[in-house]
Amino acid sequence: EAGVAQSPRYKIIEKRQSVAFWCNPISGHATLYWYQQILGQGPKLLIQFQNNGVVDDSQLPKDRFSAERLKGVDSTLKIQPAKLEDSAVYLCASSLGTWIEAFFGQGTRLTVV
Amino acid sequence: GQQLNQSPQSMFIQEGEDVSMNCTSSSIFNTWLWYKQEPGEGPVLLIALYKAGELTSNGRLTAQFGITRKDSFLNISASIPSDVGIYFCAGQDGNDYKLSFGAGTTVTVRA
Repeated sequence: EAGVAQSPRYKIIEKRQSVAFWCNPISGHATLYWYQQILGQGPKLLIQFQNNGVVDDSQLPKDRFSAERLKGVDSTLKIQPAKLEDSAVYLCASSLGTWIEAFFGQGTRLTVV
Repeated sequence: GQQLNQSPQSMFIQEGEDVSMNCTSSSIFNTWLWYKQEPGEGPVLLIALYKAGELTSNGRLTAQFGITRKDSFLNISASIPSDVGIYFCAGQDGNDYKLSFGAGTTVTVRA
């Protein structure tokens, strides 16, 4: 079974530029998560989808971050404009449903300079 | 998000020793998950727990879902060099569906 796919693996941008990350979850997984992991910390949930609806986005900085999952499968996370403190690894995870184990992709390492 | 307190923050152990780490939450959880993360990779699921009191093993790993539903522990027996990494607990409560993570326990194994 293919795992969670994320791209790109690495991205370097200047502050105030925009960037987008893509995630393809495990086939059949209804729940999709985006996490931000700053170096030395645990993953912090940004947004959680159930199919194409948002379950929780309370920790998403909505003035600059946006995410969508239009057809309930793939998802994109966008940052516009980026700030230096957005430098982190952005992890996507999926699960069959809520309260069921989640599986992670390899992540996208973003460096904002 | 939920407050998860994971301890210890780091540990240095001799090969062959047992390792124990735990996680406590400020609220009751329906699910406890334990992950391991190595440099440059995403977290990999080790063990999933769904019932209070549940004790589950995966090879040399054993994890338990606390009976209060506010804590969990992970044990690694007879550690080997490839056990090096950062171990995270994660939990979901029944009210807000969020999967929240602890800050991690960094394990270093000395041969």
